[in-house]
Amino acid sequence: DAKTTQPTSMDCAEGRAANLPCNHSTISGNEYVYWYRQIHSQGPQYIIHGLKNNETNEMASLIITEDRKSSTLILPHATLRDTAVYYCIVRVAGSGAGSYQLTFGKGTKLSVIP
Amino acid sequence: EPEVTQTPSHQVTQMGQEVILRCVPISNHLYFYWYRQILGQKVEFLVSFYNNEISEKSEIFDDQFSVERPDGSNFTLKIRSTKLEDSAMYFCASTGQANTEAFFGQGTRLTVV
Repeated sequence: DAKTTQPTSMDCAEGRAANLPCNHSTISGNEYVYWYRQIHSQGPQYIIHGLKNNETNEMASLIITEDRKSSTLILPHATLRDTAVYYCIVRVAGSGAGSYQLTFGKGTKLSVIP
Repeated sequence: EPEVTQTPSHQVTQMGQEVILRCVPISNHLYFYWYRQILGQKVEFLVSFYNNEISEKSEIFDDQFSVERPDGSNFTLKIRSTKLEDSAMYFCASTGQANTEAFFGQGTRLTVV
């Protein structure tokens, strides 16, 4: 799986949009971009994933550049409960049984400030 | 919302003892996983399990580790002879047929003393 680069930490004011960048310049054509987060020491939580089109769900939006070498996760109205470590992961999706091996990096520690 | 449940939430064991960590994946999921996270470090993949057999495992998953699905609901991780360095949070996860979104449990904190 391709490697990703994320800032170590970011702050965001409560109620504002949090924009978390990720570089994945070596991504392959069949690799998806996934975002997970980990609140304190809880289990990682899936947020969103995409291949090349922008995606939106009830939690967040994912903007992927046209060349697919970078992406941005957007939390539209950050709350204190969004304080967590956010992981950007690239992987081949649906690549066969049992192949959901996620390689976690250090992620971005997002602090939402009141 | 369906969830993956893990028991116990915290386990303390003496070095050299066997320990079994238990997980109940989401009922209609087909793929099951164990990850671990040593305090302050990254989440690391251990093993994936499908159709009653291991499909992938990492270098961490050596002969001291084993997994089992003893019945239709439980998925267990056994560490035969625990070492101090096995102290970590252990997370179970499962995915469904589409294999797109992994659901993680809240973890078991294993402390080896």
